[in-house]
Amino acid sequence: SQQGEEDPQALSIQEGENATMNCSYKTSINNLQWYRQNSGRGLVHLILIRSNEREKHSGRLRVTLDTSKKSSSLLITASRAADTASYFCWFPQAGTALIFGKGTTLSVSS
Amino acid sequence: DTGVSQDPRHKITKRGQNVTFRCDPISEHNRLYWYRQTLGQGPEFLTYFQNEAQLEKSRLLSDRFSAERPKGSFSTLEIQRTEQGDSAMYLCASSLAPNTEAFFGQGTRLTVV
Repeated sequence: SQQGEEDPQALSIQEGENATMNCSYKTSINNLQWYRQNSGRGLVHLILIRSNEREKHSGRLRVTLDTSKKSSSLLITASRAADTASYFCWFPQAGTALIFGKGTTLSVSS
Repeated sequence: DTGVSQDPRHKITKRGQNVTFRCDPISEHNRLYWYRQTLGQGPEFLTYFQNEAQLEKSRLLSDRFSAERPKGSFSTLEIQRTEQGDSAMYLCASSLAPNTEAFFGQGTRLTVV
């Protein structure tokens, strides 16, 4: 089973700024998903982008996918303190488990 | 509530005791996953089921750990002879199919004293 690698590992910004985090992977994918985890809680699914899509929006979230570079980015615009969390990418592969990388820890200060 | 449910939410046990956690996935979700997470780390994969079949187990899952999903619905994770290193959050997730989004429970926090 393979896992994505998120970058940077940690990111600190001020409220109102944008936050960008990246995910790289090494195999062909069907889709790529981003999850958020607030401290001490379970993970929450944020957005899914299919391999034939290049960009997708959901509220203040914008996800891009570049299959030629095997990478994806998650942009959070106009960040809020409530966006403070760890963010993980994941991509499903047939017959394999849901394995997460170390994630990007985002801290948004007011 | 139709989300993934885990029970108990918190468990404190003495070293050497056995503990069992339960996970109720979203109805009709075929896949069920178990993870362990310690402070500051990403979720570590333990095992997953496709219906009642356990398809993969991490090498992290020592002989003291066992998981079941007897009827392809709820699942249990048992830890025998607990050790202090077992203290962690144990997360369960389910999905309808391999390529679809996963839904996580709130986790069971285990403290071994």
